[in-house]
Amino acid sequence: AQTVTQSQPEMSVQEAETVTLSCTYDTSESDYYLFWYKQPPSRQMILVIRQEAYKQQNATENRFSVNFQKAAKSFSLKISDSQLGDAAMYFCAGSGNTGKLIFGQGTTLQVKP
Amino acid sequence: NAGVTQTPKFQVLKTGQSMTLQCAQDMNHEYMSWYRQDPGMGLRLIHYSVGAGITDQGEVPNGYNVSRSTTEDFPLRLLSAAPSQTSVYFCASSLDYRGYTFGSGTRLTVV
Repeated sequence: AQTVTQSQPEMSVQEAETVTLSCTYDTSESDYYLFWYKQPPSRQMILVIRQEAYKQQNATENRFSVNFQKAAKSFSLKISDSQLGDAAMYFCAGSGNTGKLIFGQGTTLQVKP
Repeated sequence: NAGVTQTPKFQVLKTGQSMTLQCAQDMNHEYMSWYRQDPGMGLRLIHYSVGAGITDQGEVPNGYNVSRSTTEDFPLRLLSAAPSQTSVYFCASSLDYRGYTFGSGTRLTVV
């Protein structure tokens, strides 16, 4: 069975500061991908970053980076130089070749000016 | 290129009514999925498909039916709507499970 867990319902960060959102996962699939999605109030699901679970190198996309710890099954998202537009719900998710994309419960990020 | 199209965007049903939420994609994606989103619970997988003619249950399948007769379409059927099915529903598709495209969602209210 696949599980994805986000234990932080809400997080807050000051504008221009750095924040880390936590996520843990569990799966028996060998070919596995991990994702962070952003959902603003518009409800649109926006892919922030993707990590291939068999690659140890951490993915980076501009101000967004991940800390992928395979042994600990941890996949945290770091947002640097936080901006007001980063305020949203963030979801961690994982998918393997069975086609099941499973989500965590979500973390609401507030950015304070 | 329209991506993933969900219809309708909003719907109000009476308890016991039936309806079909439509999902279509024009990207020739094999993988398609349906989710419901409820406050504090993230997106939960209802049903998914890895190709035409192949469907399987997700985390919360009860009360929902699906079929996949073509690669492009993956409709979700509520046979007898219940207030517990009030939610926002998302459809997603993927070429190969390495990246997913989402529809804009359907807000369903069952009264």
